[in-house]
Amino acid sequence: GAVVSQHPSRVICKSGTSVKIECRSLDFQATTMFWYRQFPKQSLMLMATSNEGSKATYEQGVEKDKFLINHASLTLSTLTVTSAHPEDSSFYICSANSGPAYEQYFGPGTRLTVT
Amino acid sequence: GIQVEQSPPDLILQEGANSTLRCNFSDSVNNLQWFHQNPWGQLINLFYIPSGTKQNGRLSATTVATERYSLLYISSSQTTDSGVYFCAVGPAGYQLIWGAGTKLIIKP
Repeated sequence: GAVVSQHPSRVICKSGTSVKIECRSLDFQATTMFWYRQFPKQSLMLMATSNEGSKATYEQGVEKDKFLINHASLTLSTLTVTSAHPEDSSFYICSANSGPAYEQYFGPGTRLTVT
Repeated sequence: GIQVEQSPPDLILQEGANSTLRCNFSDSVNNLQWFHQNPWGQLINLFYIPSGTKQNGRLSATTVATERYSLLYISSSQTTDSGVYFCAVGPAGYQLIWGAGTKLIIKP
């Protein structure tokens, strides 16, 4: 149980285009979903927290207009990187929580390369 | 804010050896998780252990919340155990604060 999927696993896009990444909880309803970014050889950095049906809460320094998060249902959250630039290239990972315990379950990640 | 320190930062062992990874945190927590990140980047939940002791096969973990540390034990290491092990703690709500990780290399 507690499986989280992400799609796509890998994406290459041109500078200036937008990319959407999907995160789904496959066998549970996720009350809260999280989006992380990981740079090479570093730990995870939380970008934002989203709850179904409400606006995401972004961490300090994360541009909410650049990284659009939509949590449309209890099993789906999407991250859209708008007007992507090479510095947005990174590994993006989502996680989900079903409550009441605080344990988070992680997706396999999406590697974004902006050329 | 809460600080999370993992040690050692790097560990190289021969197959079959045992190892202990440590996670120290600076304040009380309501969540503590250990993860293994494999070479493809997938984070695998090992333990959800805000307190107490748990075992799963060759792996076990102990968290002493009053002394603010957690230990991850790996016995009879295999090459597939290689990767980065992260400790992440939650001081409140669902927020997770991450350690820098321990990079483990198991040589055949």
